[in-house]
Amino acid sequence: ETGVTQSPTHLIKTRGQQVTLRCSSQSGHNTVSWYQQALGQGPQFIFQYYREEENGRGNFPPRFSGLQFPNYSSELNVNALELDDSALYLCASSSGAGVEKLFFGSGTQLSVL
Amino acid sequence: AQSVAQPEDQVNVAEGNPLTVKCTYSVSGNPYLFWYVQYPNRGLQFLLKYITGDNLVKGSYGFEAEFNKSQTSFHLKKPSALVSDSALYFCAVRDEGGYNKLIFGAGTRLAVHP
Repeated sequence: ETGVTQSPTHLIKTRGQQVTLRCSSQSGHNTVSWYQQALGQGPQFIFQYYREEENGRGNFPPRFSGLQFPNYSSELNVNALELDDSALYLCASSSGAGVEKLFFGSGTQLSVL
Repeated sequence: AQSVAQPEDQVNVAEGNPLTVKCTYSVSGNPYLFWYVQYPNRGLQFLLKYITGDNLVKGSYGFEAEFNKSQTSFHLKKPSALVSDSALYFCAVRDEGGYNKLIFGAGTRLAVHP
């Protein structure tokens, strides 16, 4: 088990709503990354936060946004939910922004109806 | 653009037999390669990584991977499979953009039969 915790574990929303997912990083880790894993696919990088600043973003629209707090925990916010946003959202923490192994949480399963 | 390919959706192997899960990559520079495993209802767990050095990398749970630059491959191997190795395996390459973004393959489901 990693020390990365995510909440909630499951969530059901309707199209057009907004959602906030939360992640608590492993102790001592200052970098948090968010990934989207659609059914039957590999995880896709959404963005990364290093010391409270976004320092990398994948091919996701601006309605996907995030925050990192001084204790290095993080939030992922998605506005105007679409059906295709249904996926497992994974948070991963690491001890730096370089080539480090990632410690993943168990994810939040989001269903958009 | 960097990418990884896992050509097999599923690999079936009998317990006690050797296993191989295949991965090929495409990068413009030197690759940083990873293997992760995902058990049901769990996040991904790190198995091993190749940055530089010895082409045979040893990792967790008895797994190893062989880096082959000429074939642009990074296959995951284990000499003797266990039923508990049954899971979803992902190969990944680090993005060359300078931060710790991983590009994952689609995954290979490993089924180890008693």
